[in-house]
Amino acid sequence: RKEVEQDPGPFNVPEGATVAFNCTYSNSASQSFFWYRQDCRKEPKLLMSVYSSGNEDGRFTAQLNRASQYISLLIRDSKLSDSATYLCVVIRASNTGKLIFGQGTTLQVKP
Amino acid sequence: DTAVSQTPKYLVTQMGNDKSIKCEQNLGHDTMYWYKQDSKKFLKIMFSYNNKELIINETVPNRFSPKSPDKAHLNLHINSLELGDSAVYFCASSQDGTVSSYEQYFGPGTRLTVT
Repeated sequence: RKEVEQDPGPFNVPEGATVAFNCTYSNSASQSFFWYRQDCRKEPKLLMSVYSSGNEDGRFTAQLNRASQYISLLIRDSKLSDSATYLCVVIRASNTGKLIFGQGTTLQVKP
Repeated sequence: DTAVSQTPKYLVTQMGNDKSIKCEQNLGHDTMYWYKQDSKKFLKIMFSYNNKELIINETVPNRFSPKSPDKAHLNLHINSLELGDSAVYFCASSQDGTVSSYEQYFGPGTRLTVT
């Protein structure tokens, strides 16, 4: 079992839709959580951090549930430019600087 | 100005050859990384250097040897290339190697194809 698991999708949604992705992690010692975005054939880039209290950045909301060991990302009012792969990322407390990536969830926003 | 650059962008070579990929960052960061992204899109860390010192060395065949001549450069040399080495290799950098250095800046990737 992978340490960080995501549904690879693809999720095909129309413009303007709200879409949510989940990610589960298996190591309870995991300390920090993030979402990265990777466009097709490009490098990953940090999208946002994830906190237990929730984190909102415009149309994007990230949430952490430590008890159930899952992280979510909600995108409201989807745009064509949101089409990308969203990577769930975890840092274990014992591994400084070592990002553990999920496989990614691919989102395709259609006109 | 490119923050993290890699060369070459594409590399096609035959099994058994030796090849190198170069990486440079102009962000003034202390820590640099090599990642491998396979055909299933899993991105896995291979190595990390902090100020020219190796700090992360994952279970990677010893055919892969990183070298950091200074903190702005991290190169990856691969000996005796195998078909399974075909992947996209990303270089990245972060401010330092602590747990707070979650924002890593990635280079554009080197797409390696071994035939």
